[in-house]
Amino acid sequence: KNEVEQSPQNLTAQEGEFITINCSYSVGISALHWLQQHPGGGIVSLFMLSSGKKKHGRLIATINIQEKHSSLHITASHPRDSAVYICAVNPSGYDKLIFGTGTRLQVFP
Amino acid sequence: NAGVTQTPKFQVLKTGQSMTLQCAQDMNHNSMYWYRQDPGMGLRLIYYSASEGTTDKGEVPNGYNVSRLNKREFSLRLESAAPSQTSVYFCASSRDSSYNSPLHFGNGTRLTVT
Repeated sequence: KNEVEQSPQNLTAQEGEFITINCSYSVGISALHWLQQHPGGGIVSLFMLSSGKKKHGRLIATINIQEKHSSLHITASHPRDSAVYICAVNPSGYDKLIFGTGTRLQVFP
Repeated sequence: NAGVTQTPKFQVLKTGQSMTLQCAQDMNHNSMYWYRQDPGMGLRLIYYSASEGTTDKGEVPNGYNVSRLNKREFSLRLESAAPSQTSVYFCASSRDSSYNSPLHFGNGTRLTVT
């Protein structure tokens, strides 16, 4: 079992839909990162969080430390949101990141 | 702002050839990293440099060497390329090596070894 698991692996949506991507992990963590990777492009850091909730524009990230689970929500999705979304965790006491394999999102007009 | 700049974007090598991937950041970050990304797997750390003058192995260091030339630049060298090194390589930087600050990534280098 991977230490970081994301679901779903693939997701398609119509423009305007509310999107949820999930990340579950099996270790105690200091921080969790959400990253975005556009096709053929680089990787951009969206959020880093260790508790609660963060919001940036149409993106919302939440984390439940007790349940070892985080969600990334996209409100009013748009085709430009099409990308791979990657979750990564920093295990407590370790200077490293463990990455999930990503969720591929396609938003159609 | 350039952020993290990686070169080249694409490279094709024959088995046994050598090459160096270059990376530079202009954010005055202390820590720099080299990752590889393979289909169906999460990003894996090859080497990192927690601060200028230091380098350390990551999860998959075999077949690679690195140089932290100065605070800005961190290069990755393949001395004798193998087909197993076909991958997409990403350089990244952060304020420090605690992973409690955001990572900034370059645009990647797609390497094919035939």
